[in-house]
Amino acid sequence: DAGVTQSPTHLIKTRGQHVTLRCSPISGHKSVSWYQQVLGQGPQFIFQYYEKEERGRGNFPDRFSARQFPNYSSELNVNALLLGDSALYLCASSLYRGQETQYFGPGTRLLVL
Amino acid sequence: QKEVEQDPGPLSVPEGAIVSLNCTYSNSAFQYFMWYRQYSRKGPELLMYTYSSGNKEDGRFTAQVDKSSKYISLFIRDSQPSDSATYLCAMSAGTGGYQKVTFGIGTKLQVIP
Repeated sequence: DAGVTQSPTHLIKTRGQHVTLRCSPISGHKSVSWYQQVLGQGPQFIFQYYEKEERGRGNFPDRFSARQFPNYSSELNVNALLLGDSALYLCASSLYRGQETQYFGPGTRLLVL
Repeated sequence: QKEVEQDPGPLSVPEGAIVSLNCTYSNSAFQYFMWYRQYSRKGPELLMYTYSSGNKEDGRFTAQVDKSSKYISLFIRDSQPSDSATYLCAMSAGTGGYQKVTFGIGTKLQVIP
């Protein structure tokens, strides 16, 4: 079975632009979480979606938004990009709402110039 | 004070050594404790998780949780060069109906042949 997949793998944007990142969870998994990992730091929680509803939000500005589709895939949108948004964006899926057994994708590396 | 503290290392050990990785935390509400391994430029890979206090063993890996001291450990026996990676501890507590996962900064481990 395929693991968590994310697209694109790499992305370069300029300040002020908008970006959409995509994630497909493991088949059968209903929960998707998004994390931001800045170089040299641990992942920081952004959102969790379960059964297509937002179930949790981390300390990120409203420029960050997400949604989950009926097939449980998910999009993360970031508006008005700042240099500080440069990071590895990770998607993780889990079978249910609990995140103790979540599985991560390879991430999307975003560079904002 | 950060909720989760982890020494970033780097930690260098000879092949075959026993490795001890540790995290401390301040939030007594944490219930689930996870360890992830992250290779360079890859997403984190779940190694083990434990619920509440106690020990859990899986092959060469042993996870320990001491909730009274707010201290968790991961031991790696017979370390191999392929174990060279960054090891992230993570913890979760039920908050508002969902579990927010908080990661440590990660400890970089190098196993020297």
